[in-house]
Amino acid sequence: DIVMTQSPDSLAMSLGERATINCKSSQSVFHSSNNKNYFAWYQQKPGQSPKLLIHWASTRESGVPDRFSGSGSGTDFTLTISSLQAEDVAIYYCQQYYGTPFTFGPGTKVDIK
Amino acid sequence: EVEVVESGGGLVQPGGSLRLSCAASAFTFSIYAMSWVRQAPGKGLEWVSSICGSDGSTYYSDSVKGRFTISRDNSKNTLYLQMNNLRAEDTALYYCAKNVRESCYSAFDYWGQGTLVTVSS
Repeated sequence: DIVMTQSPDSLAMSLGERATINCKSSQSVFHSSNNKNYFAWYQQKPGQSPKLLIHWASTRESGVPDRFSGSGSGTDFTLTISSLQAEDVAIYYCQQYYGTPFTFGPGTKVDIK
Repeated sequence: EVEVVESGGGLVQPGGSLRLSCAASAFTFSIYAMSWVRQAPGKGLEWVSSICGSDGSTYYSDSVKGRFTISRDNSKNTLYLQMNNLRAEDTALYYCAKNVRESCYSAFDYWGQGTLVTVSS
């Protein structure tokens, strides 16, 4: 199984600050056949269902604010929130869909300081 | 607007069975892969099973393989999860999710509100 790890476990930033979440997979999730990383980021706000933010490691979903960006390749990935807003308080999960079982990271809790 | 709505959860004794349903609307259901993801109380997300849109191939996590069966009725735009021999560790909120494309190897772009399954005597 591909194990996903995230860091930090939690973070608290002031409004408007830049927040960075890292995710590492235990093996590469890059498919050379199509040059794609089979990797996604999800946001889960308190009491809500998860929401897809980014897939293919860096493709932002329609309607997702452009302050959210994804980067990385292979085994190391980053989600950046360029200017943290109050509505961004949530748990953020990374996920690989390169191979079954499709695994999620343990989540990173983001709060406002 | 794309919507997936789960139903069928409830309280069941260990060893019992439940069938979850997921009604989909506002997209061409038959084309897309569909998945079940669960979340135990206060815990993270765990992928359970997926069924592909192209050839109907199915995939399961090891924790449910042999006990759960995913299926779809494209004529009814409905996804199912038959859960047998339930265990306490299956207690969770079960989400139905639409995949981004027909391949099971894709992210989950629409999620339902979940249906709660509680396994307890």
